Amino acid sequence: KAGVTQTPRYLIKTRGQQVTLSCSPISGHRSVSWYQQTPGQGLQFLFEYFSETQRNKGNFPGRFSGRQFSNSRSEMNVSTLELGDSALYLCASSLQGNTYEQYFGPGTRLTVT
Amino acid sequence: AQSVTQLDSHVSVSEGTPVLLRCNYSSSYSPSLFWYVQHPNKGLQLLLKYTSAATLVKGINGFEAEFKKSETSFHLTKPSAHMSDAAEYFCVVSDPPGNTGKLIFGQGTTLQVKP
Repeated sequence: KAGVTQTPRYLIKTRGQQVTLSCSPISGHRSVSWYQQTPGQGLQFLFEYFSETQRNKGNFPGRFSGRQFSNSRSEMNVSTLELGDSALYLCASSLQGNTYEQYFGPGTRLTVT
Repeated sequence: AQSVTQLDSHVSVSEGTPVLLRCNYSSSYSPSLFWYVQHPNKGLQLLLKYTSAATLVKGINGFEAEFKKSETSFHLTKPSAHMSDAAEYFCVVSDPPGNTGKLIFGQGTTLQVKP
């Protein structure tokens, strides 16, 4: 079974631009969660989608948004990029949620200049 | 609110000696707790999870953790460290327990294994 895939793996953007990151979950998994990892703040929960609905949301500004498609693939979008948005963005999928094992993708490394 | 505190940011052991990574949790529910490992330039991998079954949880690669409610602790141990165990380890709690995908991560403990 293929693992969680994230594209692109690396991305360099300029402050003020917007970016879209993609996550393909493991086949059959309906829950997709997104996390931001930075040296200063560690790993922080962004949001979770289940069956195309946002089921949970972390404490991030509205510039961070996401969606999930009918095939469970998910995208997250960050508008008006700031230098502080530079981070590793991790996607995780699971059958239904956090009491089930969450499988993490390799992440997308976003650098904002 | 749920939270976890990893008591050591860096632990250094010699190969073949025991490993102890400490984690305390705070939860207003009966918690679901996890340990994840992150090797350099690799994704996070689940080592083990506690979801109110046995208090001693065995995971992959010889790791285990014991849930102690009286001490609100969930420490990770391994009898004998291997060089390949060098990585970042995260103690994690689900928030809230149940079928939502929100995990709360500790700040991480870097495990160094010396030959």
